[in-house]
Amino acid sequence: GAGVSQSPSNKVTEKGKDVELRCDPISGHTALYWYRQSLGQGLEFLIYFQGNSAPDKSGLPSDRFSAERTGGSVSTLTIQRTQQEDSAVYLCASSPTGGVGGYTFGSGTRLTVV
Amino acid sequence: DQQVKQNSPSLSVQEGRISILNCDYTNSMFDYFLWYKKYPAEGPTFLISISSIKDKNEDGRFTVFLNKSAKHLSLHIVPSQPGDSAVYFCAASGRGGSQGNLIFGKGTKLSVKP
Repeated sequence: GAGVSQSPSNKVTEKGKDVELRCDPISGHTALYWYRQSLGQGLEFLIYFQGNSAPDKSGLPSDRFSAERTGGSVSTLTIQRTQQEDSAVYLCASSPTGGVGGYTFGSGTRLTVV
Repeated sequence: DQQVKQNSPSLSVQEGRISILNCDYTNSMFDYFLWYKKYPAEGPTFLISISSIKDKNEDGRFTVFLNKSAKHLSLHIVPSQPGDSAVYFCAASGRGGSQGNLIFGKGTKLSVKP
């Protein structure tokens, strides 16, 4: 596609439920990143994919968070047993080869845990 | 502990004047720096970058200055325009920009008044 597409754009969920966030990167981009921005904070790195493998998942805050990427394209970020502190905007970015200067971000998914 | 700091949460400037956004970092291993601009409900968009082998990079109205000894960089916008009103994020990488994740500051909200 022309840009990075994320869905849903907004998600409200009850505490304790699982959620899945989806990212469609730019076609042909091999690198994919997940970040999140909590209220009043900067962008916090979560995980980086090169192809279907994740050489850096150091930013995942707990084992409730997982992500996968299939076919070198779509990625899903799953949060199990959501907590109120998981409320944030989750941003996905892709780049052609993994170079940080080539990031293109999606518009994000605003997750609210009530 | 924040490795990239933007100590001014907001900045207000008159149209036509210069906007100066500041960023400090603590990790001497960072060797590539970027500025992103973010409008509400949109993902961040890349603005300008600089490698640690340079002390200045210019692109139209935007200039980034890097002072390695002070671990400080700044973004100058001249002349400022109302359309520049957005949140500006400073980001850093320790891999020469070749791959991997970025470390972001918390952002500075710039308001350019007509």
